[in-house]
Amino acid sequence: EAEVAQSPRYKITEKSQAVAFWCDPISGHATLYWYRQILGQGPELLVQFQDESVVDDSQLPKDRFSAERLKGVDSTLKIQPAELGDSAMYLCASSELPQGLVGNEQFFGPGTRLTVL
Amino acid sequence: QKEVEQNSGPLSVPEGAIASLNCTYSDRGSQSFFWYRQYSGKSPELIMFIYSNGDKEDGRFTAQLNKASQYVSLLIRDSQPSDSATYLCAVGTNAGKSTFGDGTTLTVKP
Repeated sequence: EAEVAQSPRYKITEKSQAVAFWCDPISGHATLYWYRQILGQGPELLVQFQDESVVDDSQLPKDRFSAERLKGVDSTLKIQPAELGDSAMYLCASSELPQGLVGNEQFFGPGTRLTVL
Repeated sequence: QKEVEQNSGPLSVPEGAIASLNCTYSDRGSQSFFWYRQYSGKSPELIMFIYSNGDKEDGRFTAQLNKASQYVSLLIRDSQPSDSATYLCAVGTNAGKSTFGDGTTLTVKP
């Protein structure tokens, strides 16, 4: 069964360091999402890609976070510099349908658990 | 006020009972509605989706949608201890964006 792949699964870093997360969506899925989930809360959208284009990054802290999906397939989310408050689960999801169509169920990868010391 | 509201719980039901999970949303333009199950330390897993008013059944799960009341619910029949998890409600717009609630924690006691 096709799955969303993410790496690493766990990352421990010190504040002010740079971290990067990688996501490979289900093959053929046009839309890719990065979420941040703090313990006890629901996932919060950071950035949404349609193919290689960003369609929503309104909640992405752009002073320290960046995301790219250069060839419209896999994607990288970077944090530089990391802060204590960035400790969370970072989830990647993908959906088959492009934006504008009802029915774009999202499928999540296993996530990356980030701890900033 | 959050865009998607869920009772945080915890909701506790005995094994074999019906668990009822509720969700309200504020955006009347919302078109798609999803329920995800999330075990502790794991990522969300899609279990149900519904787009039209009424009921949709899949095995022991039934999703109910009332757009006029801006309300969506999930019923789990014959609850099992393995159903113990946090259930996330997500509401989608035609822009492909989904907004998640903070989840309801369900505990099914043997």
